[in-house]
Amino acid sequence: GAVVSQHPSWVICKSGTSVKIECRSLDFQATTMFWYRQFPKQSLMLMATSNEGSKATYEQGVEKDKFLINHASLTLSTLTVTSAHPEDSSFYICSAKGRGSYGYTFGSGTRLTVV
Amino acid sequence: QKEVEQDPGPLSVPEGAIVSLNCTYSNSAFQYFMWYRQYSRKGPELLMYTYSSGNKEDGRFTAQVDKSSKYISLFIRDSQPSDSATYLCAMTVGDSSYKLIFGSGTRLLVRP
Repeated sequence: GAVVSQHPSWVICKSGTSVKIECRSLDFQATTMFWYRQFPKQSLMLMATSNEGSKATYEQGVEKDKFLINHASLTLSTLTVTSAHPEDSSFYICSAKGRGSYGYTFGSGTRLTVV
Repeated sequence: QKEVEQDPGPLSVPEGAIVSLNCTYSNSAFQYFMWYRQYSRKGPELLMYTYSSGNKEDGRFTAQVDKSSKYISLFIRDSQPSDSATYLCAMTVGDSSYKLIFGSGTRLLVRP
């Protein structure tokens, strides 16, 4: 079945630094990738949608200059949290949709802690 | 009003019980319906994917969609402690890379 690999699974960074999270589709071409944020015991909140080779579409209230998304190829998308602050600490999850595939496949998530 | 409503639980059942999880929605344009299972600190895992109204069965899992009532269900037969997780319903208007709208998730605990 479709597999999405997300790295790192856990990262701690200092306030003010930037962190990059990678999401790779291993056995299919991801025409669209989605990035979510999830707080403890809450559902997933969509941050942005990106199509390969296009600029990401951000949801209302999500700062595009803070959360940089790149979807340069059909198998790789990255989310960079710039100038991270403690309030950015959260669980970030990517999801990929391939052409003709059923459902949306999720990565295993990245737990970001900003200290 | 949220587009998708789901009881957050927690729902606690004994091992072997039949579990019923439900979501209601308000957007009649939704056509594709999914159920995901999420273990703590993991990404969601797709359990069931259905299109339009009807039933779909896969092993111990049965998904039902009633578009006239805007109501979807997931049934788990012979529940196991390993089924303890958060179950999220999700839906979208189209199958071509449209964004998913999630319910809030129901926490399920299956007691041995």
